[in-house]
Amino acid sequence: DTAVSQTPKYLVTQMGNDKSIKCEQNLGHDTMYWYKQDSKKFLKIMFSYNNKELIINETVPNRFSPKSPDKAHLNLHINSLELGDSAVYFCASSQWTGGNEQFFGPGTRLTVL
Amino acid sequence: ELKVEQNPLFLSMQEGKNYTIYCNYSTTSDRLYWYRQDPGKSLESLFVLLSNGAVKQEGRLMASLDTKARLSTLHITAAVHDLSATYFCAVVASGNTPLVFGKGTRLSVIA
Repeated sequence: DTAVSQTPKYLVTQMGNDKSIKCEQNLGHDTMYWYKQDSKKFLKIMFSYNNKELIINETVPNRFSPKSPDKAHLNLHINSLELGDSAVYFCASSQWTGGNEQFFGPGTRLTVL
Repeated sequence: ELKVEQNPLFLSMQEGKNYTIYCNYSTTSDRLYWYRQDPGKSLESLFVLLSNGAVKQEGRLMASLDTKARLSTLHITAAVHDLSATYFCAVVASGNTPLVFGKGTRLSVIA
């Protein structure tokens, strides 16, 4: 059983396009996250949702908009894609906020041409 | 603001040797995690350290936590090629804040 799943696994697109990445967790967790991992492997938190409510919104361009239709899903929509958006995006979940162990999805490798 | 520093960031070691990766953090915390990431893969939880003096071992890896020194170590014993990966430590500052990750240590074990 996949605990945290993401689609698509790979996404190649042109600059200026709009794209979405979907994430689902079946762990019954309350909190979900989006991370960006750049080419140097640095992991940076972008957003955190607790029970469908946004609780962390780091300094991320407003072209990135997360949406949580329910606590098991957290999608990431990106408008007007730029070259610098190329990275691997990881979704994660934890039982609740507050330093709980996080479980990561397989990642989505986004390449903007 | 909590800062987490790992060193070294890159480590090339020979098979059979021992080495230690260090994770220092800047503010009080009593919860620390170690993750492993294989190339092109996701992060996998290795150890959860929840109190001062906690020590966990799995195979050739042993992690420890000293909350007074704000330091965790990940010790590798008799390294084998399969341990080649990037290792991240992650720390929580307090209460309702999420984990803060170090920059990762990229380990290569060579014959």
